[in-house]
Amino acid sequence: EVQLLESGGGLVQPGGSLRLSCTASGFTFNSYAMNWVRQTPGKGLEWVSVIYSGGSVTYYADSVKGRFTISRDNSWKTLYLQMNSLRAEDTAVYYCAKPTYMSSWYSFDYWGQGTLVTVSS
Amino acid sequence: QSALTQPPSASGSPGQSVTISCTGTSSDVGGYNYVSWYQQHPGKAPKLMIYEVSKRPSGVPDRFSGSKSGNTASLTVSGLQADDEAHYYCSSYAGSNIVFGGGTKLTVL
Repeated sequence: EVQLLESGGGLVQPGGSLRLSCTASGFTFNSYAMNWVRQTPGKGLEWVSVIYSGGSVTYYADSVKGRFTISRDNSWKTLYLQMNSLRAEDTAVYYCAKPTYMSSWYSFDYWGQGTLVTVSS
Repeated sequence: QSALTQPPSASGSPGQSVTISCTGTSSDVGGYNYVSWYQQHPGKAPKLMIYEVSKRPSGVPDRFSGSKSGNTASLTVSGLQADDEAHYYCSSYAGSNIVFGGGTKLTVL
């Protein structure tokens, strides 16, 4: 059974940093690109970032580019999101999401339960 | 990276069909056959219902179908059931990023 378990969310002041983790099980983690998607309270979904299976290729949404860094440790089957220079508008539930196929990353068939990040003074 | 446009709400009676639209541009919906649809119940993570415009993951009822014409994709839910009441989000690959729609609240009357 595929499982994705996020952790690391919490309350942080504007300008602060936080690192999210997503521990995967039930599939060949090192064969899949992995994504972060966030959802602001009561609002819609926003794709944040993707990292390819080997870790060498990453893409980011314009809204987080230069502030967030996605990484992975295939040995530990763990995905990370380092978030720096946090802003109030980064407040959201952050999900890690597994793509449907190994060969693409455009649709997500498994999602974690999400971890809440609140940026407030 | 502009969001795709969805109607904020849609509704139908049990047994009826309802179609939700998702409008983008030639840089996303119109440019790739990588449109997905997600169902989200309150307090739950999104669930993939349709991928690559019209493919259904295993376990998704065939009452759910997807299509695309030009820059607009559509999700049709036929034979509406009470449990179909949820938010529905479309997404599209847009060349090194993914864009989502703002979501549609489907109400089963």
